[in-house]
Order: sequence, then C-alpha cells, then structure tokens
Amino acid sequence: AQSVAQPEDQVNVAEGNPLTVKCTYSVSGNPYLFWYVQYPNRGLQFLLKYITGDNLVKGSYGFEAEFNKSQTSFHLKKPSALVSDSALYFCAVSPWGTGFQKLVFGTGTRLLVSP
Amino acid sequence: NAGVTQTPKFRILKIGQSMTLQCTQDMNHNYMYWYRQDPGMGLKLIYYSVGAGITDKGEVPNGYNVSRSTTEDFPLRLELAAPSQTSVYFCASTLGVNEKLFFGSGTQLSVL
Repeated sequence: AQSVAQPEDQVNVAEGNPLTVKCTYSVSGNPYLFWYVQYPNRGLQFLLKYITGDNLVKGSYGFEAEFNKSQTSFHLKKPSALVSDSALYFCAVSPWGTGFQKLVFGTGTRLLVSP
Repeated sequence: NAGVTQTPKFRILKIGQSMTLQCTQDMNHNYMYWYRQDPGMGLKLIYYSVGAGITDKGEVPNGYNVSRSTTEDFPLRLELAAPSQTSVYFCASTLGVNEKLFFGSGTQLSVL
C-alpha cells in the first residue's frame, strides 16, 4: 500500500528566506504526486502536481517541488517566503493511473512565516 | 462559478441522531469524493463516486452512506451518529483521473 511521510509537524522560516517542506513517499510503480495547501477554516487548494517529465514542477503562488525518484521524495520549495504563505501543507501520492480512490495524504506540515 | 459547495458549515449532533451533509458542484465533474480530516491526521477517504448512480467505499466507510442521483450532488448520510464521527468533512470533485481535486470549505461536525 502507498504511504506518505511528512517528517516535520511545523516549519518556521523568516519572511524573505527560502523555505522547504519535506515529503517522502512509498508507492508501487510510478507515482502521481501532489501538494495542497489549507488555510484556516478553508478546504484544501491545489498547488502543484508531478505526473511525468521534468523533475522540477512549478505551481501556484511561486511554489515549486522537486521529484527525486532515487530518494522517493517530493519536497516543496519557495525561494522567498511570505507571511501569507503561513498555512497547513499536505503532500499526497497515488499509484500512476489509479485515480483518487487510491490517493493517500500525509499528516500535514504547518508552515509559519514570521515577519 | 461556485465550485464545490458544502452545507452546513457547522453542526452539533447528539449520539444516535442522523444527518445528511450536502455537497454540490457546478463544474460538471464526474468524480466526487468525501473525506474526513482528524487533528494531526491526513485526509481519509470515506466514499467516492465516478458518476451518477455509481458509488464505492473508500478507506473508512463504516457508519456512513452516500448516494449519487445526479452529476451535481453527492450527499453523505450519517445514520446513527457516534463520538468517533466527530471530525471535519470535506467534499471534493475532479474532472478526471489524476487531475486536481477541487475541495469544498468543509463541515465541522461534533457528536456529543
């Protein structure tokens, strides 16, 4: 069965500094990988996805993620953090081509960006 | 274009009561999903539907039922509420396999 690990419950970063939110996964076959963000009292919003192709994926709000097959990782990055980036971030994985009924979410990482 | 709409936003139930969480989407998506989110946990899939008249169980279906009579609507029914069903419930929809999910704003349910 597939699984996702987000090893940090919280990441603290100062505004203007680069940020990284870590995600590792386990899946049979090729993975579909996703990042979602959740703001307080809101549903999850899509940030980016990796299906195939270039290992560096660019998404919404200046975020990007790097797919590393050998390390089974899909870390979320942003060159310069904003206070408004403070939110809960979820990584998710599903086996290639299976649809969202097999999608597994991580436990989430809270990002806190200080002014 | 409202996207995915969930009602109610908040609800308190007594043990043994029943209720229906409503979900509707106006994007003509065939695929719809119900998730629950517990503190410190990722989202868990309760039920899903790949089109009108077709539903199937997810990872945590016990205590819930769904129906899908139209493309737009996907209600979730709790028949005999239990404290273990205290959670935040999210409905989501998507256009196709491995496209992005669109989420509703959630229903916070407490069973006391």
